[in-house]
Amino acid sequence: SQQGEEDPQALSIQEGENATMNCSYKTSINNLQWYRQNSGRGLVHLILIRSNEREKHSGRLRVTLDTSKKSSSLLITASRAADTASYFCAWEGRGNNRKLIWGLGTSLAVNP
Amino acid sequence: DGGITQSPKYLFRKEGQNVTLSCEQNLNHDAMYWYRQDPGQGLRLIYYSQIVNDFQKGDIAEGYSVSREKKESFPLTVTSAQKNPTAFYLCASSIAQRGETQYFGPGTRLLVL
Repeated sequence: SQQGEEDPQALSIQEGENATMNCSYKTSINNLQWYRQNSGRGLVHLILIRSNEREKHSGRLRVTLDTSKKSSSLLITASRAADTASYFCAWEGRGNNRKLIWGLGTSLAVNP
Repeated sequence: DGGITQSPKYLFRKEGQNVTLSCEQNLNHDAMYWYRQDPGQGLRLIYYSQIVNDFQKGDIAEGYSVSREKKESFPLTVTSAQKNPTAFYLCASSIAQRGETQYFGPGTRLLVL
C-alpha cells in the first residue's frame, strides 16, 4: 500500500500535557502536511513542511521532518480539551504522480 | 465568506439507485478532489480534477463518476455498480494540483437502505 503509518493509533492524555504523533511514509517527497479532523467533520489544514525543512512551528504546534528516516512528528504542547480530534499526515510524492497520499490517522483524546 | 460546501449532509441510497453528491467552492481554486473515508481509515482518492472539463481517476474510481463543467462545481455520482457505498465522502479543493494545501468541505455521509 502507498499509505504510510501513523502511531500511535490512539492517544489519551490530560489537559496541559504534550501530545506527540508520528508519521512514516514510503517514498521521496516534496512536502508533508498535517491535518485535523473533528468527529464527523471535514479536515482542517494545520501545517506544511517542505522536504528541505527540518522543523516548523505554528502556535502550540511543532512539526519535524526526517527525510533520511522517512518520518515526521507532530507535537502539540500544553494540550486543551478542544484539541480532541483525529490527526492525519499527508505527503506529496515526487515524480509525475503528485497526489497527496494519506496516513491512517491518530485519534487524540484530551481529558479535562 | 469563501469556502467549500457539500450537500446533503446525510444521503440514503436504495438498492440499484444512483445518487449524486454536490460539492461547490467559491475559493477560485483550479483543483478539486473527492475522497472516501471509512471508519478508522485514512482518506482514499476517488477522482480529481485539475481544470474545468478534465478529471482523472484516483485509487478507487470504480462505481463512481464525476463531471467538471464549471470551475466552482465538482459533483460525484455514486452508481449502482458501487457495491459498498456506505462511507463518509469528502470534497476538497486546492489552488493547484501540485500537492498544495487542500481545503475540505464538511462531508456527506452516505447510507444504504
